[in-house]
Amino acid sequence: KQEVTQIPAALSVPEGENLVLNCSFTDSAIYNLQWFRQDPGKGLTSLLLIQSSQREQTSGRLNASLDKSSGRSTLYIAASQPGDSATYLCAVAAGNKLTFGGGTRVLVKP
Amino acid sequence: DGGITQSPKYLFRKEGQNVTLSCEQNLNHDAMYWYRQDPGQGLRLIYYSQIVNDFQKGDIAEGYSVSREKKESFPLTVTSAQKNPTAFYLCASSRGLRGEGEQFFGPGTRLTVL
Repeated sequence: KQEVTQIPAALSVPEGENLVLNCSFTDSAIYNLQWFRQDPGKGLTSLLLIQSSQREQTSGRLNASLDKSSGRSTLYIAASQPGDSATYLCAVAAGNKLTFGGGTRVLVKP
Repeated sequence: DGGITQSPKYLFRKEGQNVTLSCEQNLNHDAMYWYRQDPGQGLRLIYYSQIVNDFQKGDIAEGYSVSREKKESFPLTVTSAQKNPTAFYLCASSRGLRGEGEQFFGPGTRLTVL
């Protein structure tokens, strides 16, 4: 059974610092890995999707890497801003569904 | 404007009542999903559908039912058999039929049992 873990559960950084969010999964037989952002009381916004054949994906200040063999993905957010404060979730796709991690709650202090 | 809509935004249920949550998408996606989110926990899959008139149970299907009569619509009914229904419910859709496509989410429905 696939299990997805995100550590730490919460993170607080000063504005301008780079953010590093970790995601690990137990079964490397995945189609892709997706990173989401969730604001309080809202739905999920897709940030990046990395196919299983890719090593990384970039969008603006966001960069996500994937190491399938070790079961790890990392989301980097450069030059953090207070507007980046949210919960970030990773999810792996396999067997007709996504399995989610518990999320990392990020606070960027002005 | 393409996207996924969910209604209502807030829903209150009395003990013993069935309630239905609406999910509609105009993205022409084949697959649709229902998740439940509890405070401090990740999302858990309730049901999913890869094609009209077909759906599969997810990890926590007990006490829930769904239908998929149209490609655009995937309503979720929370029955009285669901003992702890208070949660945030999220609907999603994707193009892929095997779960490999990027999933897009609706804004959610918060259900509270009175």
